[in-house]
Amino acid sequence: GENVEQHPSTLSVQEGDSAVIKCTYSDSASNYFPWYKQELGKRPQLIIDIRSNVGEKKDQRIAVTLNKTAKHFSLHITETQPEDSAVYFCAATDSWGKLQFGAGTQVVVTP
Amino acid sequence: EADIYQTPRYLVIGTGKKITLECSQTMGHDKMYWYQQDPGMELHLIHYSYGVNSTEKGDLSSESTVSRIRTEHFPLTLESARPSHTSQYLCASSDPGLLTDTQYFGPGTRLTVL
Repeated sequence: GENVEQHPSTLSVQEGDSAVIKCTYSDSASNYFPWYKQELGKRPQLIIDIRSNVGEKKDQRIAVTLNKTAKHFSLHITETQPEDSAVYFCAATDSWGKLQFGAGTQVVVTP
Repeated sequence: EADIYQTPRYLVIGTGKKITLECSQTMGHDKMYWYQQDPGMELHLIHYSYGVNSTEKGDLSSESTVSRIRTEHFPLTLESARPSHTSQYLCASSDPGLLTDTQYFGPGTRLTVL
């Protein structure tokens, strides 16, 4: 089955710097890769996603890149702000269409 | 407004009690899911359903059971709660008619078993 690994587990950045979170997946049939942000005490919220026929997608300060050959995808946050502090989860679909989540990255943005 | 609703939001109960966590959605989605998550930690799929009368166990073994009698309703039941069941339970839904099958989450039920 699908296995998703996410790194790093914690990431501390200065406000205004960039943050990068990387994920790898094992199932070459995976075709959908969403990223979720979960603030403390809140539900996971979809922030950006990418399908396997696209290499990069951007939405304001957030971008996701996908390398199908290497089976890895990354989340890039530019000009980080304190409100970007949260746990971020990557995910990939398995052969049944279910999502397999990474273990999460705790991002802390310090002023 | 289309959303996913979970009740109760917080529950503290004693060992051995039977409980049902409610999940309902007004998204019009066919697929529904239950995840177990300790705060800030990994999401573990415990049950899912692709439609009415369809239920499957997820990747994480769970002593809970689910039912799907109505499209919008996907309750989770623990027959005899134990302290090891203390966790947050998140319900989600998705629309298989869309190419991306994006999952949307409810607010969660935080369960504490004493």
